[in-house]
Amino acid sequence: GQQLNQSPQSMFIQEGEDVSMNCTSSSIFNTWLWYKQEPGEGPVLLIALYKAGELTSNGRLTAQFGITRKDSFLNISASIPSDVGIYFCAGPLLSGSARQLTFGSGTQLTVLP
Amino acid sequence: DTAVSQTPKYLVTQMGNDKSIKCEQNLGHDTMYWYKQDSKKFLKIMFSYNNKELIINETVPNRFSPKSPDKAHLNLHINSLELGDSAVYFCASSQGSGVEQYFGPGTRLTVT
Repeated sequence: GQQLNQSPQSMFIQEGEDVSMNCTSSSIFNTWLWYKQEPGEGPVLLIALYKAGELTSNGRLTAQFGITRKDSFLNISASIPSDVGIYFCAGPLLSGSARQLTFGSGTQLTVLP
Repeated sequence: DTAVSQTPKYLVTQMGNDKSIKCEQNLGHDTMYWYKQDSKKFLKIMFSYNNKELIINETVPNRFSPKSPDKAHLNLHINSLELGDSAVYFCASSQGSGVEQYFGPGTRLTVT
């Protein structure tokens, strides 16, 4: 089946540093989504990408839809303590009329003061 | 206002019991989902449902069944609970076949 590989698995960074993480697949995706999950909460949608090559920002977050359609990247600039959480990439599975999502394994981000 | 809500937040029960988790969304969406997150934080789709179609992930045991009394609710019933069912279960919703899904806060199920 379709699998999404995220890297790195975890990151420890100093407050103020920039962060980069990526997601790759052996299959082509037509949409890439990035979610953040904080402890004890559900995933929250950060950015949705719909077009190969697309670069989209949401505050200090910037995500890119890879030109090959097999990867996506998420950057966080000037990290702050509230950026702590697990960041997931996701893409739609083709399953009937509903778009079920397949998720990557996540990148656990820790921001040190 | 909470967009997608789930109850209970925590559920502790014994093996063999039957339990339900409730989900409600006030976003006006017509498609709802259930996901399971295991101890390694891996999220996996279990079901998707709208008023036309129920899609079941083939790996989900038939002890799990979604029930939707109306468009705003999709409850998860689990029969004969097993230790391996312990996980966090998330409800989500979207509009039509849209991929932008909005998640509830999760229900942590512990089977002893």
